Amino acid sequence: QKEVEQDPGPLSVPEGAIVSLNCTYSNSAFQYFMWYRQYSRKGPELLMYTYSSGNKEDGRFTAQVDKSSKYISLFIRDSQPSDSATYLCAMSVTGYSSASKIIFGSGTRLSIRP
Amino acid sequence: DTAVSQTPKYLVTQMGNDKSIKCEQNLGHDTMYWYKQDSKKFLKIMFSYNNKELIINETVPNRFSPKSPDKAHLNLHINSLELGDSAVYFCASSPIGQPTSLANTGELFFGEGSRLTVL
Repeated sequence: QKEVEQDPGPLSVPEGAIVSLNCTYSNSAFQYFMWYRQYSRKGPELLMYTYSSGNKEDGRFTAQVDKSSKYISLFIRDSQPSDSATYLCAMSVTGYSSASKIIFGSGTRLSIRP
Repeated sequence: DTAVSQTPKYLVTQMGNDKSIKCEQNLGHDTMYWYKQDSKKFLKIMFSYNNKELIINETVPNRFSPKSPDKAHLNLHINSLELGDSAVYFCASSPIGQPTSLANTGELFFGEGSRLTVL
């Protein structure tokens, strides 16, 4: 079993829809949770970062962490065609050590139809 | 001005050959990484270096040898290439562990990737 599981999709939704992307994980020691966005033929870029449980909002994006269920989500409101990309969840045990390993999910490919 | 740059962007080579990928970052970070992304987009850490010192070495075949001549550079040399080595290799850097405000998230800054195809 992989440490981080993510549905690879593809997920296709119409413009303006609310998108929900999810990951589950098995290592209860994870404390730092991230979402990266990767456009085609580019490197991943950090989109959202949360520590421990709870919600964090940034514009149209909301990241949610439920440590009791070992489940994290990313919600995108009013989705735009420019949101079409692969979204990778990522997590680590420690946030401040150079020995910290960031473990990625396999990514969900999202397509927003105009 | 590119923050993390990798060369070459594309590599096509025969099985058994040796190849190198170079990476440079101008962000002033102490920590650099190599990640491998397979055809299913799964991104897996291979190595990390902090200030030229090897910190993380995942279960990677010893045909893969990273080298960090200074903290702004991390190169990857691969000997005796195999078909299964075909992937996109990403270099990344991070301010993690540095005593600055930038280090708060440990964000990874990725290069654009080097797409290796072994025939």
